[in-house]
Order: sequence, then structure tokens, then C-alpha cells
Amino acid sequence: AQSVTQLDSQVPVFEEAPVELRCNYSSSVSVYLFWYVQYPNQGLQLLLKYLSGSTLVKGINGFEAEFNKSQTSFHLRKPSVHISDTAEYFCAALKYNFNKFYFGSGTKLNVKP
Amino acid sequence: DGGITQSPKYLFRKEGQNVTLSCEQNLNHDAMYWYRQDPGQGLRLIYYSQIVNDFQKGDIAEGYSVSREKKESFPLTVTSAQKNPTAFYLCASSIEGVTEAFFGQGTRLTVV
Repeated sequence: AQSVTQLDSQVPVFEEAPVELRCNYSSSVSVYLFWYVQYPNQGLQLLLKYLSGSTLVKGINGFEAEFNKSQTSFHLRKPSVHISDTAEYFCAALKYNFNKFYFGSGTKLNVKP
Repeated sequence: DGGITQSPKYLFRKEGQNVTLSCEQNLNHDAMYWYRQDPGQGLRLIYYSQIVNDFQKGDIAEGYSVSREKKESFPLTVTSAQKNPTAFYLCASSIEGVTEAFFGQGTRLTVV
């Protein structure tokens, strides 16, 4: 069965420090992969997506992610975080030509001054 | 601007009453989805629709119903059979099977 695992439910980090949010997916077939950000009481906003091609994907707000097929991972990184990055982040997978998205349980990033 | 509109943003209902959440999109997307979000549980799929007049149950469909009479609209009814309806509900849409999902701003339903 398809599933997405976010290994950390909460990640505290100081402002201007680097951060990595981890995501692993399980699939016997190829998938598209996404990272979303959610601010309190709002919908999800797309940060970046991997469809094909280069395994290093750059997104908005200085975030990037690397697709690693052998490790079935799609970790999100940012070299220097800001207070405004405090939010919940969701990893998601979509099987090719299917309409069902699989979401991780979310990671709350708390950036401290 | 194209997007997805959910209304209302906040909704209060008495226990035992049915309530309908609105979701409208002007992105010309074929696929539409309803998710429920509870603290610490991520997003759980309630129903999805790939085309007008067709929809499929997701992982937690019990106590919910939907309709898809128009491409732009995918309303969700929370019935009195739903045991614990208080939650944040998110509607999304996508081009069938090949791109990311676009989300509305959500409706927070509180049943008292």
C-alpha cells in the first residue's frame, strides 16, 4: 500500500539555522512528490514538486528538496530559516495517472528567535 | 484570479443537524477532493471525484455525502451519522492524475 511517512512531528530550530524535514514514501511504482506548507487556519500552499528530471528541486521561500529513489526519500531543506517559516509542512505523493494523493502526518516547524 | 473557494470559513451547528460545506473552483480541474484534518493526524481523504456525476469514497467516508452536478462545484454534507464531526475541512482540486492539488482555505466546523 502507498504511504508517506514524515519522521518528525515537531522540529524546533533557531532563526538563521539550517533545517531538514524528513519524508519517506513507499511505493512499488513511480510517483510524483510534493511538499506543502500550512499556516494556522489556512489551506495548504505548494512549496515545491518533483515530477521528473533533476533530483534536486527548488521551491518558493528558499526551500529545496532532493528526490532519492534508492532510499525512497524526499527530504525538505532550507539553509537558513526565518521566524516566518514557522508553520506545518506536509509531504505528499501521487501515483502516476492516479487521482489519489497520499499525505504524511505533517511536521510542525517552530523557528525560535 | 483562478482558485478554490470554500465557504463559510467558520461554521457552528448543533449536534444531530446535517450541514453542507461549499467548495467551488474556477481552475477547470476535473478532479476534486475533500479532506478532513484533525490535530496530529494529517489529512484524511473523505471523498473524491474525477468527473461530473461520479465520485468515490475515500478512507473515512462514513457519515459524509457529496455530489458533483457541475464541474466547478463539489459540496460536502456532514450528516448526523458522523460521530465526531468537529474538524477542519479542506477542499482541493487537480488536473487529473498529473499535477499537484490546489487547496481552498478550509472550513472549520464546530458541532456543539
